[in-house]
Amino acid sequence: DQQVKQNSPSLSVQEGRISILNCDYTNSMFDYFLWYKKYPAEGPTFLISISSIKDKNEDGRFTVFLNKSAKHLSLHIVPSQPGDSAVYFCAASRMDTGRRALTFGSGTRLQVQP
Amino acid sequence: DAGITQSPRHKVTETGTPVTLRCHQTENHRYMYWYRQDPGHGLRLIHYSYGVKDTDKGEVSDGYSVSRSKTEDFLLTLESATSSQTSVYFCAIRAAAGDTEAFFGQGTRLTVV
Repeated sequence: DQQVKQNSPSLSVQEGRISILNCDYTNSMFDYFLWYKKYPAEGPTFLISISSIKDKNEDGRFTVFLNKSAKHLSLHIVPSQPGDSAVYFCAASRMDTGRRALTFGSGTRLQVQP
Repeated sequence: DAGITQSPRHKVTETGTPVTLRCHQTENHRYMYWYRQDPGHGLRLIHYSYGVKDTDKGEVSDGYSVSRSKTEDFLLTLESATSSQTSVYFCAIRAAAGDTEAFFGQGTRLTVV
């Protein structure tokens, strides 16, 4: 039973346009959400996060939106650049489980076309 | 980059043999985690540690054991490797209870033949 779901395995956008990556979760106990970016043959790297008490967090070209009632979050990348091409993982954590271990979605492969 | 080193980076082993993967950190972080990454599953938690000699199971712990005798080292052992344990293994560290971000190592690609 996947508690964090990324239903789009892949996404292709043109350079300069907006990329929107989506993530749904089922466990209402999650209190923190993160996005990680992963290049081939490398470990995931932290990108941006949001607390469950907020609905938006922005860092440069990256914005994460959280809709708690829908149990949905999204990552917006504006403008998209070819270097953004990678696999993006959504992750969630809760204070009382696994000493804040992360529960991951299955990932979305983003390809930004020049 | 966080000071995390995983070894070996690649390993091929035979079914039924024991295998140990090592995660070494230079950050003095309290929490350490082992994940495996498989297509269609993202990263799944195998075991984690919240201090020296303090470990607990994650969601896919069957067939794996861990040990942490020093703050800097977290070992993952496959007691008797099976083909279903062919995967990419990632170690992660986190500093303190209030921290939410974890930092990952480069990964170990393990193939069981």
